[in-house]
Amino acid sequence: GAGVSQSPSNKVTEKGKDVELRCDPISGHTALYWYRQSLGQGLEFLIYFQGNSAPDKSGLPSDRFSAERTGGSVSTLTIQRTQQEDSAVYLCASSWQGSGRYNEQFFGPGTRLTVL
Amino acid sequence: TQLLEQSPQFLSIQEGENLTVYCNSSSVFSSLQWYRQEPGEGPVLLVTVVTGGEVKKLKRLTFQFGDARKDSSLHITAAQPGDTGLYLCAGAVTGTYKYIFGTGTRLKVLA
Repeated sequence: GAGVSQSPSNKVTEKGKDVELRCDPISGHTALYWYRQSLGQGLEFLIYFQGNSAPDKSGLPSDRFSAERTGGSVSTLTIQRTQQEDSAVYLCASSWQGSGRYNEQFFGPGTRLTVL
Repeated sequence: TQLLEQSPQFLSIQEGENLTVYCNSSSVFSSLQWYRQEPGEGPVLLVTVVTGGEVKKLKRLTFQFGDARKDSSLHITAAQPGDTGLYLCAGAVTGTYKYIFGTGTRLKVLA
């Protein structure tokens, strides 16, 4: 079966514009994660979904960031009024249960966002 | 705030050399994972360690989880150019779904 896919692969936008990043998880995976990675560094946790619910949104950097998941599948991360410091690679991962213990996260290739 | 510090941050070695990467925290994790990431791709899981003191081997890679479940190490024997990449550790926060990722170790193995 297909892995996690993300679109677009690259996004260049102007400061102040809104952007939407999409994640298609592996079919049947109930848990979905969004991370942000700057310049080949470690990953910064943004938000986690179990089904369509996001139990913890505290990783979102500001109120300009929001995410939703519909039908227990596709997720969209929206950044409003983008700033230059939002430039990074945004990674999505899905896993079977997301219990935080043994579950392997399968990552997509990421969306590279550049804010000019 | 829980942090995972990795060392070294960068490592460039010759093919055939051995190396160890460390992942340290002051926090206890319920499990710890190691990932490798290639340019333009997402991280790929190498191993999950769960029990304090646990040692797992994956061909030339040996992973150890600290007795107190606060730290971990990755040892590579006879490194090869194919081992080149960004190595990331990730700790599962006890009782939650959250993973805290380490700062990363960028390894380059020269032929």
